[in-house]
Amino acid sequence: SAVISQKPSRDICQRGTSLTIQCQVDSQVTMMFWYRQQPGQSLTLIATANQGSEATYESGFVIDKFPISRPNLTFSTLTVSNMSPEDSSIYLCSVAGQSYGYTFGSGTRLTVV
Amino acid sequence: AQKITQTQPGMFVQEKEAVTLDCTYDTSDQSYGLFWYKQPSSGEMIFLIYQGSYDEQNATEGRYSLNFQKARKSANLVISASQLGDSAMYFCAMRGMDSSYKLIFGSGTRLLVRP
Repeated sequence: SAVISQKPSRDICQRGTSLTIQCQVDSQVTMMFWYRQQPGQSLTLIATANQGSEATYESGFVIDKFPISRPNLTFSTLTVSNMSPEDSSIYLCSVAGQSYGYTFGSGTRLTVV
Repeated sequence: AQKITQTQPGMFVQEKEAVTLDCTYDTSDQSYGLFWYKQPSSGEMIFLIYQGSYDEQNATEGRYSLNFQKARKSANLVISASQLGDSAMYFCAMRGMDSSYKLIFGSGTRLLVRP
């Protein structure tokens, strides 16, 4: 299965600033997914990132707040913009595996103060 | 729209005993896939088991088995011979076989294995 390197693993940020999260995959993948996991909650899909096209956002998530870059088939970034304490969450990237399982990055624990 | 429901926020099990974690789903897709993931306190997502909607046999992976009842739209995870290391959050998830490939998660069950 694919191996994903996600950075940073954690960060503490000031409100009003932005943070960019990176995910690097060790193989080419068509689709990458970005999830948010709020404290004590399940994973919620933010958007699907396809190479060469605009990301597809889920209801409740907008590009201005969560811009996504997908410059090639092995890399993607998610930016959390104009952060507020409500954005404090774990953010995870994911790719679909060949044997049905989806692989996840190790997550970025974001705290906004 | 697809929906995954996990009605057990928390479960206890004695070490070496079996435990069943419930999952029901709702979808209008004829073809879909069901997944279970484990999330220990470290936060990583660990893939456990997969069941396709057209698979006639229940999926098994070591101590994990999936009790798939299609007519009842349930996909319960059975963990046999529980170990202390099984203490974690468990998420049921589903993917419809449309072109989006997106995975939708249930709310999760926190399992605590008692020694």
